[in-house]
Amino acid sequence: DADVTQTPRNRITKTGKRIMLECSQTKGHDRMYWYRQDPGLGLRLIYYSFDVKDINKGEISDGYSVSRQAQAKFSLSLESAIPNQTALYFCATGGVSGSYNEQFFGPGTRLTVL
Amino acid sequence: GESVGLHLPTLSVQEGDNSIINCAYSNSASDYFIWYKQESGKGPQFIIDIRSNMDKRQGQRVTVLLNKTVKHLSLQIAATQPGDSAVYFCAENINDYKLSFGAGTTVTVRA
Repeated sequence: DADVTQTPRNRITKTGKRIMLECSQTKGHDRMYWYRQDPGLGLRLIYYSFDVKDINKGEISDGYSVSRQAQAKFSLSLESAIPNQTALYFCATGGVSGSYNEQFFGPGTRLTVL
Repeated sequence: GESVGLHLPTLSVQEGDNSIINCAYSNSASDYFIWYKQESGKGPQFIIDIRSNMDKRQGQRVTVLLNKTVKHLSLQIAATQPGDSAVYFCAENINDYKLSFGAGTTVTVRA
């Protein structure tokens, strides 16, 4: 969905490196989310934000941090990447223009930690 | 903890047949459910949703059924087409504005 963009789309890094994944949206939504997807496990919530400067932990926030400096942008950081953080990462948005809690997803970032 | 789950990880369907994808949930307080479709290399896309005060909702070629008595959700796809090949996720609204996702069912359409 072009309304939610993620950069980079693919990234290979080494253990111990700091990585930042960026998410931008043009939907004007207040709510933004970061999920992680692993084979056979579906999507798990890392962090979410309901407004600028609002940050909330999801079910698997350890090892991650986020920043919401503007309504349209929500970045995810891995302070010191480790191999078990190899996964597909999705950003999503939600807002009043959608259904009750419909979330709109970006195309994903494939992260490999060696 | 409470979670959403799908009955089968894979489903193979003949083109033109109807598909039924099942999902069991355990949170009786969930008030809203969504089905998402994820094609290879893409993010999940919304298919259809249903609120807990409904039993059935229809869209274009898709129908979602909700049975709150047994906490079961299903997605029916009519006249399955090759473009329906994807991973399908059910998700439940576990509290305000947070979704919990099942593991997904991979649907393969045979020509």
